[in-house]
Amino acid sequence: GEDVEQSLFLSVREGDSSVINCTYTDSSSTYLYWYKQEPGAGLQLLTYIFSNMDMKQDQRLTVLLNKKDKHLSLRIADTQTGDSAIYFCAERAPGGYNKLIFGAGTRLAVHP
Amino acid sequence: NAGVTQTPKFQVLKTGQSMTLQCAQDMNHEYMSWYRQDPGMGLRLIHYSVGAGITDQGEVPNGYNVSRSTTEDFPLRLLSAAPSQTSVYFCASSRELGTEAFFGQGTRLTVV
Repeated sequence: GEDVEQSLFLSVREGDSSVINCTYTDSSSTYLYWYKQEPGAGLQLLTYIFSNMDMKQDQRLTVLLNKKDKHLSLRIADTQTGDSAIYFCAERAPGGYNKLIFGAGTRLAVHP
Repeated sequence: NAGVTQTPKFQVLKTGQSMTLQCAQDMNHEYMSWYRQDPGMGLRLIHYSVGAGITDQGEVPNGYNVSRSTTEDFPLRLLSAAPSQTSVYFCASSRELGTEAFFGQGTRLTVV
């Protein structure tokens, strides 16, 4: 079946790195996404990775994909208070249509 | 470029009332979707469309209707609102299968 799981909460100190983890169950997923949601706002696409890639880096963001373990992670380097938000992992469901299956979200709290 | 626009941003309904949540995109995207977001559950797909005149059900379609008469618009209708439909609703659009989705700012609906 289709299921995406994330830990619900992460607290880090400003300036440290944050690592948000996600596991998914559908090995046929071809795209995996990370979204950011700030309070009262919609979802903002941060980055995505194709399933034939192991890593993708975009400025302070690094996405790692372990297809064998169906594990996806998002690393945020030099975490800032503006990074405080809920981060959602999502996979594109198989079946030919653009159906995204979301995790419950990880709330990242950045403290001084 | 406005992206994905949802209206209204907030709405309170009485049980049994009907209403339509509006969603419009100006990016000429074929794929549009409606999600609802409930605490601790991430986003769940209600209905989606792969082009004008084509819609299909998602994970939680009961109590909702959609239509897609134009590429730009994808309204979501609640025929007889129930308290269980209290949620935040997000509309999304995508350029093509597997690419990133653009989300609207959300509609917070309360049914009393």
